[in-house]
Amino acid sequence: AQSVTQPDIHITVSEGASLELRCNYSYGATPYLFWYVQSPGQGLQLLLKYFSGDTLVQGIKGFEAEFKRSQSSFNLRKPSVHWSDAAEYFCAVGARNYGQNFVFGPGTRLSVLP
Amino acid sequence: EAGVVQSPRYKIIEKKQPVAFWCNPISGHNTLYWYRQNLGQGPELLIRYENEEAVDDSQLPKDRFSAERLKGVDSTLKIQPAELGDSAVYLCASSLPKSNSYQETQYFGPGTRLLVL
Repeated sequence: AQSVTQPDIHITVSEGASLELRCNYSYGATPYLFWYVQSPGQGLQLLLKYFSGDTLVQGIKGFEAEFKRSQSSFNLRKPSVHWSDAAEYFCAVGARNYGQNFVFGPGTRLSVLP
Repeated sequence: EAGVVQSPRYKIIEKKQPVAFWCNPISGHNTLYWYRQNLGQGPELLIRYENEEAVDDSQLPKDRFSAERLKGVDSTLKIQPAELGDSAVYLCASSLPKSNSYQETQYFGPGTRLLVL
């Protein structure tokens, strides 16, 4: 079964600073990879996803993520953080084989200082 | 376009009582998911439906949890009897169908926050 780790429980950055949120996964093949964001009182929203092809994926709100097979990682980045980016970020792994599972990581809470 | 609708938004019950959550997916989304999100954790998949068929319920605690999607649209998740440890947010999501299931983007509802006293 696949699993996801997000090593950072909580990250604080200043507005305008760059951001990188880490995600590592465990899966026997190349999985489907996702980043979702959850703002207070809001539902989860997809930021970006990776299935195949170009390992650098562009998403909404200026986010990007890079798939590195050798490191089993799918880190999320943003060059300049806005105060509205403060939220909980979840990495998720979807199995390619029917019948297997869809797993979210524990999440990283992002705080943004003015 | 309306998003995924869930009700109620909040529910407080005493342990051993039954509780039910309702979800209406996005129109045309044949795949429906129920997740449980404990405080400070990521969502955990409980069950996935393709139309009215439950195709992945391996994570559903079947001794007390049940779900149905009788006409392949709305779905209900039930807990009977509820335990203190069931306090969590219950999320519903929907997506377009895909043969490998997890390739499609899932659209989430706002969730139902359950507190069991």
